[in-house]
Amino acid sequence: RKEVEQDPGPFNVPEGATVAFNCTYSNSASQSFFWYRQDCRKEPKLLMSVYSSGNEDGRFTAQLNRASQYISLLIRDSKLSDSATYLCVVRLQGGGADGLTFGKGTHLIIQP
Amino acid sequence: DGGITQSPKYLFRKEGQNVTLSCEQNLNHDAMYWYRQDPGQGLRLIYYSQIVNDFQKGDIAEGYSVSREKKESFPLTVTSAQKNPTAFYLCASSNEGQALYGYTFGSGTRLTVV
Repeated sequence: RKEVEQDPGPFNVPEGATVAFNCTYSNSASQSFFWYRQDCRKEPKLLMSVYSSGNEDGRFTAQLNRASQYISLLIRDSKLSDSATYLCVVRLQGGGADGLTFGKGTHLIIQP
Repeated sequence: DGGITQSPKYLFRKEGQNVTLSCEQNLNHDAMYWYRQDPGQGLRLIYYSQIVNDFQKGDIAEGYSVSREKKESFPLTVTSAQKNPTAFYLCASSNEGQALYGYTFGSGTRLTVV
């Protein structure tokens, strides 16, 4: 059964702090991994793809642990504008549209 | 600018009525998708199309229908057979050869049954 699990939160974090959350996936055939950001009542937008060696984009760092089947997202020096829901997305190897599974999201609230 | 456009932004449906949601993209993407999102839930796949004149059912296709007569367009009809249609509907597109780049989403249509 394909499944992507995320802690729904909310994570309440003071501005400037570092926050990290994980996502676990159940299918070991998963090949591609993404983090999307979704603002309230808006569409999801791609934040970053997650590469095997881990990758960084400014204040955001994504890591992949294939052995334990989880990916993580770290946000440093958090800003008020980082408040959103972060969706973990996993794609099966060779999968088409039905090979893409969305987590339910982790709700992040950055407090002034 | 290239993008994906959904209309209308808000739609109200009466009981027993069919309604059609529009999705148009000018990204020259081959594949298009329809998802449904309910509060506190993940996105669930309704239908997808990887090429013109071909489409496949997703996880929750019952009560919905689609067509793909043009590469740019993938309209979704919510039929009266869909008993709980109130939700946020998202259309997306992608090029399968660029799987690492994920999907591009439209801004969504919020459908409410009145």
